[in-house]
Amino acid sequence: DAGITQSPRHKVTETGTPVTLRCHQTENHRYMYWYRQDPGHGLRLIHYSYGVKDTDKGEVSDGYSVSRSKTEDFLLTLESATSSQTSVYFCAILRGYGYTFGSGTRLTVV
Amino acid sequence: AQSVTQPDIHITVSEGASLELRCNYSYGATPYLFWYVQSPGQGLQLLLKYFSGDTLVQGIKGFEAEFKRSQSSFNLRKPSVHWSDAAEYFCAVGFGLYKLSFGAGTTVTVRA
Repeated sequence: DAGITQSPRHKVTETGTPVTLRCHQTENHRYMYWYRQDPGHGLRLIHYSYGVKDTDKGEVSDGYSVSRSKTEDFLLTLESATSSQTSVYFCAILRGYGYTFGSGTRLTVV
Repeated sequence: AQSVTQPDIHITVSEGASLELRCNYSYGATPYLFWYVQSPGQGLQLLLKYFSGDTLVQGIKGFEAEFKRSQSSFNLRKPSVHWSDAAEYFCAVGFGLYKLSFGAGTTVTVRA
């Protein structure tokens, strides 16, 4: 969607390696979110941010860390990727009275 | 703890027929309610939302949803489906806007 981009779109990585996913917005929204999507589970919140350097955990935060040093960028890091973290990751921004989602990053951990 | 249930994992409907997708939630009070649609390989798009007021809300693409407090439900409907409505649909609820919980999703298949 316009205003929010995720990179990379696809990534294959090996177990035990660090991985960073990037979410970039161009509209200066305060709230940003990282979700993972898995079959049968819908979307589950990993972490979210309510401002620069202000972040909090979601329901599935173990194994993930985030950083937000600038309003426009919200980074999700898998410190040591595991196969259970193979998933599609979505970033979202709170825009007006709803969430706008990025196009997703498909991550495969082999 | 808050929870969102979409009882139907998969629904198949004929083109031109009506569609209803169910969503139930468990909260202490009336939450904010949303329906999102995800086409294959795409991100999620907001169909409609309910915060307060009229319990029947209209959304995009001809969808509507009805909030029923007594049943803790927010069901999505469309009178006549088109082949392009084949997608996965997610119900989401939250106290306020700042943290939403999503249901597991319902996949809709449209047959000719």
